[in-house]
Amino acid sequence: GENVEQHPSTLSVQEGDSAVIKCTYSDSASNYFPWYKQELGKRPQLIIDIRSNVGEKKDQRIAVTLNKTAKHFSLHITETQPEDSAVYFCAASIYGGATNKLIFGTGTLLAVQP
Amino acid sequence: SAVISQKPSRDICQRGTSLTIQCQVDSQVTMMFWYRQQPGQSLTLIATANQGSEATYESGFVIDKFPISRPNLTFSTLTVSNMSPEDSSIYLCSVTGQGVGEQFFGPGTRLTVL
Repeated sequence: GENVEQHPSTLSVQEGDSAVIKCTYSDSASNYFPWYKQELGKRPQLIIDIRSNVGEKKDQRIAVTLNKTAKHFSLHITETQPEDSAVYFCAASIYGGATNKLIFGTGTLLAVQP
Repeated sequence: SAVISQKPSRDICQRGTSLTIQCQVDSQVTMMFWYRQQPGQSLTLIATANQGSEATYESGFVIDKFPISRPNLTFSTLTVSNMSPEDSSIYLCSVTGQGVGEQFFGPGTRLTVL
């Protein structure tokens, strides 16, 4: 079955710097890759996603890139702010199939130092 | 996006008892899922709640321990049966969104088993 690896497990950056989180997946049939942000005590929130027919997607300070050949995708946050501090999860799924289930990475704790 | 609510938001239970968690959505959704998030860990899919038929369970999860109902397109329940301290976790429901592949999470139920 699908397996998603995520690195690093923790990341500390200075406010204003960029942060990059990387994930690899095992199932070449996966075609949907969302990223979730989870603040302490809150639910995971979908912040950006990418589908396999696209190589890059951007939304203000957040961007996601996908390399289907290497089976990895990355989250890029530019001009980080203290409110970006949270746990970030990547996930992979095969949409359009019978289950549409998400397989999550292990998470990255991002700390943005003021 | 849909408004998702869960009841209860938290509970403390004695071992050997059962707890039923409810997930309510304010609009009809195609698919509903139940996840477990153990303390400090990632999200693990328990099962897909199928409307009008038996849930589809992931490896390691069984119907006797986690019975699930989905009587209509806006409501589902997850029961955690014969609880032990190892069942202490956050249980989250998720629903598919308008975009293909999207999933959105409920606020979660924090369960502590003594």
